[in-house]
Amino acid sequence: AQSVAQPEDQVNVAEGNPLTVKCTYSVSGNPYLFWYVQYPNRGLQFLLKYITGDNLVKGSYGFEAEFNKSQTSFHLKKPSALVSDSALYFCAVRRSGGYNKLIFGAGTRLAVHP
Amino acid sequence: EPEVTQTPSHQVTQMGQEVILRCVPISNHLYFYWYRQILGQKVEFLVSFYNNEISEKSEIFDDQFSVERPDGSNFTLKIRSTKLEDSAMYFCASSSLSGIGYNEQFFGPGTRLTVL
Repeated sequence: AQSVAQPEDQVNVAEGNPLTVKCTYSVSGNPYLFWYVQYPNRGLQFLLKYITGDNLVKGSYGFEAEFNKSQTSFHLKKPSALVSDSALYFCAVRRSGGYNKLIFGAGTRLAVHP
Repeated sequence: EPEVTQTPSHQVTQMGQEVILRCVPISNHLYFYWYRQILGQKVEFLVSFYNNEISEKSEIFDDQFSVERPDGSNFTLKIRSTKLEDSAMYFCASSSLSGIGYNEQFFGPGTRLTVL
């Protein structure tokens, strides 16, 4: 069975500091991994994805994520956090092929303090 | 930039009533999805739809639920007889067809359904 774990309910970071939001996954076969962000009263916005190739993927708004197959992780990172990055972040996985569903983690609330 | 739209933004209904949630996917997309998020819980898959038929559904998507693409633009989710536990935010998503289907899904803003 596929699953995604986001071990932290909330991450607090000071503006200008680097941030990491953790994600581990379990899926049979090759995983396709995604990060989405949700701002209050808004839908889920796509940030970035890993399909294959380079383990470090870059996405929107300066975010990047590192795929680690041995640790089955896909942590979201940003070198310098902004207050406007404060939102709810979801990691998701889907099996390769076809039109498969996304399996989401529980979400991590990122709070960036001035 | 093209986006997925959903109406209404908030729907309040009485238990046992039928509701229809509407979505307009991005115009050149061919795969359509419904997800829901009960308050404080994770986003859960309900159903995927391709080529005018359901391609996958979850155990949540029982006989009370149905989906339809009545014309070339709309994609609807119908709940025939709502229950209290159907109260949730419902998200529509769409993705394009390319290769082995690894394209990201684009989500709408959601419809908050409240069942009283």
